[in-house]
Amino acid sequence: AQRVTQVQPTGSSQWGEEVTLDCSYETSEYFYRIFWYRQLFSGEMVFLIYQPSFDTQNQRSGRYSVVFQKSFKSISLVISASQPEDSGTYFCALSELNTGYQNFYFGKGTSLTVIP
Amino acid sequence: DTTVKQNPRYKLARVGKPVNLICSQTMNHDTMYWYQKKPNQAPKLLLFYYDKILNREADTFEKFQSSRPNNSFCSLYIGSAGLEYSAMYLCASSSRRGGNTLYFGEGSRLIVV
Repeated sequence: AQRVTQVQPTGSSQWGEEVTLDCSYETSEYFYRIFWYRQLFSGEMVFLIYQPSFDTQNQRSGRYSVVFQKSFKSISLVISASQPEDSGTYFCALSELNTGYQNFYFGKGTSLTVIP
Repeated sequence: DTTVKQNPRYKLARVGKPVNLICSQTMNHDTMYWYQKKPNQAPKLLLFYYDKILNREADTFEKFQSSRPNNSFCSLYIGSAGLEYSAMYLCASSSRRGGNTLYFGEGSRLIVV
């Protein structure tokens, strides 16, 4: 069964706009983390940001932030002032303490195109 | 510096032939992973080494082998490639001390013909 769901297979935005990418997940654990990665066209997956389950504050890192809705088991990645270089496929991933945070369950990704 | 290197970047293999993919990391991470990524699918965990302990997923147990002769190096071995093995293979590493964030290499694209 799919543990992480990204319902938007594709998305687009205009240069400078704010972009929101959605992710939902399934877990019965109290301690877990949600990660966001971007896959470059070369294939490399680049770490962007992560949200620990016990932290009620939405995490921020540069132009990336998340909107964490723990009770709904959903999390959105927000990219401010999007740029063409932000184009790529964005993956959400769940990692749980009961596996030592070593098992990552990935979603299928959202392919984002930022139009110049 | 977060550096994970993979070789080869591209591999063309014949059906039935072996394939060996190599990964190295310079961050002294305790855990190294191999994921398989196919178009429009989520990355799929194949196996990972925590130190010298190998953990393999049940559904890929017999299809992939791996070795980790030292902390920096990890290989993925396919004994007899089938068409279904065509995919991008992503190596990653992480450290429990560092919160277990995965750091990926650029991937090895395998095409089996």
